[in-house]
Amino acid sequence: GQQVMQIPQYQHVQEGEDFTTYCNSSTTLSNIQWYKQRPGGHPVFLIQLVKSGEVKKQKRLTFQFGEAKKNSSLHITATQTTDVGTYFCARSNTGNQFYFGTGTSLTVIP
Amino acid sequence: EPEVTQTPSHQVTQMGQEVILRCVPISNHLYFYWYRQILGQKVEFLVSFYNNEISEKSEIFDDQFSVERPDGSNFTLKIRSTKLEDSAMYFCASILTPGLAGAYEQYFGPGTRLTVT
Repeated sequence: GQQVMQIPQYQHVQEGEDFTTYCNSSTTLSNIQWYKQRPGGHPVFLIQLVKSGEVKKQKRLTFQFGEAKKNSSLHITATQTTDVGTYFCARSNTGNQFYFGTGTSLTVIP
Repeated sequence: EPEVTQTPSHQVTQMGQEVILRCVPISNHLYFYWYRQILGQKVEFLVSFYNNEISEKSEIFDDQFSVERPDGSNFTLKIRSTKLEDSAMYFCASILTPGLAGAYEQYFGPGTRLTVT
């Protein structure tokens, strides 16, 4: 019940193409966080979504929280080689325990 | 930019030995966390710590694990008798205040790679 599933597991794109990763939960989420982990690095917080239907943008990154608060997506427009890494979503109900998704590994081919 | 630090960066130990992983969270943060990540897999929550006591722990965090904040700056994870399957990257993280808008950003340290042989 606490698991969050992410798809796809891997994604290879040509530089300049768009990329989307999806995070799905069987139960309603109070919030969802997104992290990026570069190869060999540590997770870096990107954003937190709280409201139903919320959409937030960070430059070429667009984050959405579903109306039912059971899914979320991260979309990158016109990928660059600096976007390479694994993108994780994470759920937290209380703020004291976080469940990370399975991650989507993005490879950008120059 | 404030940062979480962890030492050592790499620890090699023999099965059955005790290890202590050290972390220095960001100085004004109140909530501290340990995670592990087996190579190529997802980040797994181990334990959260607030106000000098464990707040939440996962099923992974069994009696072999313990955490401590021995002074005002360090936050440690001890594994009493390491097993081969404990080999992983261990990340420490801290948050100022999870419920407060603008203060819930979780900062991760660079990690300690633990290798049990």
